[in-house]
Amino acid sequence: EIVMTQSPATLSVSPGERATLSCRASQSVSSNLAWYQQKPGQAPRLLIFGASTRATSIPARFSGSGSGTEFTLTISSLQSEDFAVYYCQQYNYWPPFTFGQGTKLEIK
Amino acid sequence: EVQLVQSGAEVKKPGESLKISCKGSGYSFTSYWIGWVRQMPGKGLEWMGIMHPGDSDTRYSPSFQGQVTISADKSISTAYMQWSSLKASDSAMYFCASGPSSGYFPSYFHQWGQGTLVTVSS
Repeated sequence: EIVMTQSPATLSVSPGERATLSCRASQSVSSNLAWYQQKPGQAPRLLIFGASTRATSIPARFSGSGSGTEFTLTISSLQSEDFAVYYCQQYNYWPPFTFGQGTKLEIK
Repeated sequence: EVQLVQSGAEVKKPGESLKISCKGSGYSFTSYWIGWVRQMPGKGLEWMGIMHPGDSDTRYSPSFQGQVTISADKSISTAYMQWSSLKASDSAMYFCASGPSSGYFPSYFHQWGQGTLVTVSS
């Protein structure tokens, strides 16, 4: 089973600043990596797939990069609605398609 | 509009059985894999298993193999997850989610249900 490790566990950033979230896979998952956003009491929402492709209706301030074992989600200028928990997921080896443990992005 | 609508919250006793549902609409139900994700209170997302409604190909995470059963009725565009004997540790939010194929195989989830809260308590 592929282990996905996200860092940091919690990230405190001020509105308008840049946030950089990391995700590491225990072995190469190529570019088969997705990012999701989850707000309290809501279902997750797909942000990025294929490591760097934004999903439909996702604002351009969200960008993904990386391949192999190291991936990054960058939010260029944080808006109030961006404070949430973010998960990465690999879909290269299954079952299961494992999720990271999440990064909570909180207001500084 | 593409939607996955899940059945409502359940309160059960240990040892009871349960079947929750997830109805798809607005898309070709048999063309997309549909999976289930567990979220225990205050915790992260856990991939449980997935099914292709078109041919009933079903795969489980080793952590959930033998603990749950995933099925679907394509005539009514509905997927199910069921337990034969619930435990208190099954208390969680359960999400269904659908996603495209990569070749034949599943990939990420691009559409999610609203979640079904299952509470198991004596």
